[in-house]
Formats: sequence, C-alpha cells, structure tokens
Amino acid sequence: GEQVEQRPPHLSVREGDSAVITCTYTDPNSYYFFWYKQEPGASLQLLMKVFSSTEINEGQGFTVLLNKKDKRLSLNLTAAHPGDSAAYFCAVRTITGNTGKLIFGLGTTLQVQP
Amino acid sequence: EAAVTQSPRSKVAVTGGKVTLSCHQTNNHDYMYWYRQDTGHGLRLIHYSYVADSTEKGDIPDGYKASRPSQENFSLILELASLSQTAVYFCASGGQSTGQLYFGEGSKLTVL
Repeated sequence: GEQVEQRPPHLSVREGDSAVITCTYTDPNSYYFFWYKQEPGASLQLLMKVFSSTEINEGQGFTVLLNKKDKRLSLNLTAAHPGDSAAYFCAVRTITGNTGKLIFGLGTTLQVQP
Repeated sequence: EAAVTQSPRSKVAVTGGKVTLSCHQTNNHDYMYWYRQDTGHGLRLIHYSYVADSTEKGDIPDGYKASRPSQENFSLILELASLSQTAVYFCASGGQSTGQLYFGEGSKLTVL
C-alpha cells in the first residue's frame, strides 16, 4: 500500500528564514495531497489541499510544490515567524481501493526562534 | 461552530477496563475515521466507515472495535484497555469527492 515518508522530523529556524518540509510517496495513483498544521495540544487544521493536476499552490506565507515525476510534495514557509511553530503533517489519498482514507507522514516539528 | 465533536476529551482508564470514545459530525459526510496519534508515529488509521451500520478495519485495528449506528455518530470501543493504548485519538469525517478530512479536537486516553 501507499507509504509516505516525511523529512525532516524536527526543524528549527530563525524568524524570517525559510523552512522546507518534504514528503515522498510511493503510489503513482495518488491524486489528493494535503498539508495539515497541528499546534500543541490542538487538532489538525488544513493548511492546503493540492490536486494532482496542479503543481504549485501558494498560500499565506507558504508555497506547496508537487513533483509527480519524483512523487514528492513539499511545503515551503517563505519567511517563518514564531506563530508558525507547530507540527506539520503531509497526507496523501489514492484512488487505489477507493476507501477515502488518508495516509499521513510522521510529521515535522517546526520551531521558529525569534 | 465545531462540526466534528468528540467525547470525552480526556479519560483515564484502568488496564482491562472498557473504554468508549464517541464522535459526532454535522458535516453530512459519508466517511468517518478513527486515527490514533503517538509521538513519533504520526496518525495511524484504526477503523473507518463509509456508511451507517458498517465499519472497516484500518491499518491498526487490533484491540479496537468500531460502531456506526447512524451517519452522524461513530464510536471507538476498547473492550479490554491496555497500557499500549495510551494515546490521543482523533475522529474525522470526510466527503468522498474532496478527499479532505475534518478532524475533531481529539480525545486523550491514559491507561494505567
């Protein structure tokens, strides 16, 4: 089945620096990709949803890149600030089996130093 | 207004005891899921359901049962709780077309 590898597990950057988190997946039938943000003790909030037909998506302060050839998904926080400190999870959905379930990466804990 | 609500938000149980975690959604979604979150393991799928009165095993179903009595409600049942089931449990709902999941606030379970 689908496997999702997320790197790095921990990331510490200074305020104003960029931060890049990358996920690789195995199932070529994957077609929905998600980034979730989880603040300490809180639930998961959707950051961005990416369809396989798009390659670049921009949000408020971040960019998501999808490379279907390499089966790689990345989240780039362009100028991190302390409020970005949280755990980030990528998630992938495939059409294989049509269960509707998401496969999650293990997460990246981001710490932004003032 | 929260569309996926879980109860209890926190629970301490004894080893061998029965635990029921409840989830209620107002999103009118067909799919509902129970995930478990442990440090270093991300989120792992325990059980899910795509229609009332039917449940499916996820990736780590051993030691858990699930019940979906209606479209809105989905329960996770630990008949004999064990220490290894100490974790935070998240319920989620989703529509088939979008793939996006909407998560509840989580239920922190501590088994002593």
